[in-house]
Amino acid sequence: EDQVTQSPEALRLQEGESSSLNCSYTVSGLRGLFWYRQDPGKGPEFLFTLYSAGEEKEKERLKATLTKKESFLHITAPKPEDSATYLCAVRKNSGGSNYKLTFGKGTLLTVNP
Amino acid sequence: GAGVSQSPSNKVTEKGKDVELRCDPISGHTALYWYRQRLGQGLEFLIYFQGNSAPDKSGLPSDRFSAERTGESVSTLTIQRTQQEDSAVYLCASSLGAGKAFFGQGTRLTVV
Repeated sequence: EDQVTQSPEALRLQEGESSSLNCSYTVSGLRGLFWYRQDPGKGPEFLFTLYSAGEEKEKERLKATLTKKESFLHITAPKPEDSATYLCAVRKNSGGSNYKLTFGKGTLLTVNP
Repeated sequence: GAGVSQSPSNKVTEKGKDVELRCDPISGHTALYWYRQRLGQGLEFLIYFQGNSAPDKSGLPSDRFSAERTGESVSTLTIQRTQQEDSAVYLCASSLGAGKAFFGQGTRLTVV
């Protein structure tokens, strides 16, 4: 069964204090790993897609990396507006046209000024 | 439309009543997903539609839950005889095949 585990469940940082969020996955045939940001009361907002081990994507203070077993979301010099829940999801290669996404439970990031 | 639209944004219903939630995906998106998010929890997969293929219903928690989609357009999620444990945010997303999925703002369902 596909599994996505995110850690830590919650992370509290001071503004400017860099850190990383982890997403470990067990899926037979990865067809994409996705990172989303979710603010309270809103739907998830797409951040990155990674397809193969060694791939990296960057956007402002965020950088996502991928290995064969896990992905990291690195946050450099975070600001209070980076506070949100970060969700990781995987899509597996089922050989057909089923593009179902399996989500982890998320990491709640709080950045204090 | 510009994004995924869900209605209503909030719904309060009495236990035992039926409710219908609506999702308008991004035009041209072939795939449509429904997820449930309980308070403080992650996204729980419910059902997935892809074009004219048979939907993946493997996440529906009971036979009180059903969903339909007309072609590649609107989808409705119906919950019959609602129970208090059905209270959650119901999220809809769409994608162009295996591309990135875009989410709506969700419908917050409260069963009293």
